[in-house]
Amino acid sequence: DAGVIQSPRHEVTEMGQEVTLRCKPISGHDYLFWYRQTMMRGLELLIYFNNNVPIDDSGMPEDRFSAKMPNASFSTLKIQPSEPRDSAVYFCASKPGLAGASSYNEQFFGPGTRLTVL
Amino acid sequence: GENVEQHPSTLSVQEGDSAVIKCTYSDSASNYFPWYKQELGKRPQLIIDIRSNVGEKKDQRIAVTLNKTAKHFSLHITETQPEDSAVYFCAEGVSNDYKLSFGAGTTVTVRA
Repeated sequence: DAGVIQSPRHEVTEMGQEVTLRCKPISGHDYLFWYRQTMMRGLELLIYFNNNVPIDDSGMPEDRFSAKMPNASFSTLKIQPSEPRDSAVYFCASKPGLAGASSYNEQFFGPGTRLTVL
Repeated sequence: GENVEQHPSTLSVQEGDSAVIKCTYSDSASNYFPWYKQELGKRPQLIIDIRSNVGEKKDQRIAVTLNKTAKHFSLHITETQPEDSAVYFCAEGVSNDYKLSFGAGTTVTVRA
């Protein structure tokens, strides 16, 4: 298994532009999480899905952020319009359901997308 | 779990010495406590975890202890090596709520 896949790995854009980050979870994992990591705020959970359904989006900073999971193998995080303060590393993570791996709460992180908004 | 505090924020140790990182949490319902290691420019990866029915867990040079009464848990790294240099994050969660709350991280530097 290739693990969690994220694209792009780096994104540089100008303020006001739309940004779309993509994630492919590990096959068979029921849960998908989006995190944002900055020096100031650390690792913040933005939203998570169970079986493609958003469960908790209380961490989404504002209406400019939206996330979708149209099927079990793909999710997007969109920022529109982007602002310089959105610059961060965005991680996607997935985990199996209760019937899965022995460490049922272990989250497997993707390599991250480093976003820079100028 | 909504809040976990992690200390210290940075830790420098001589190779071969031990490193200890402590975390405290506030939600008495929390029952799962993982530790993640993030090397520079890499993704966080789970290194060890503990559940509330256990007070201590060991895996080679790393160990985690949990004090549910005091609501704190600690990571212990013995015989530190240069490859232990990384940022370590504690986290806490509740088994019926699969999200995790992460600490702010501890940057560990092992001096050769």
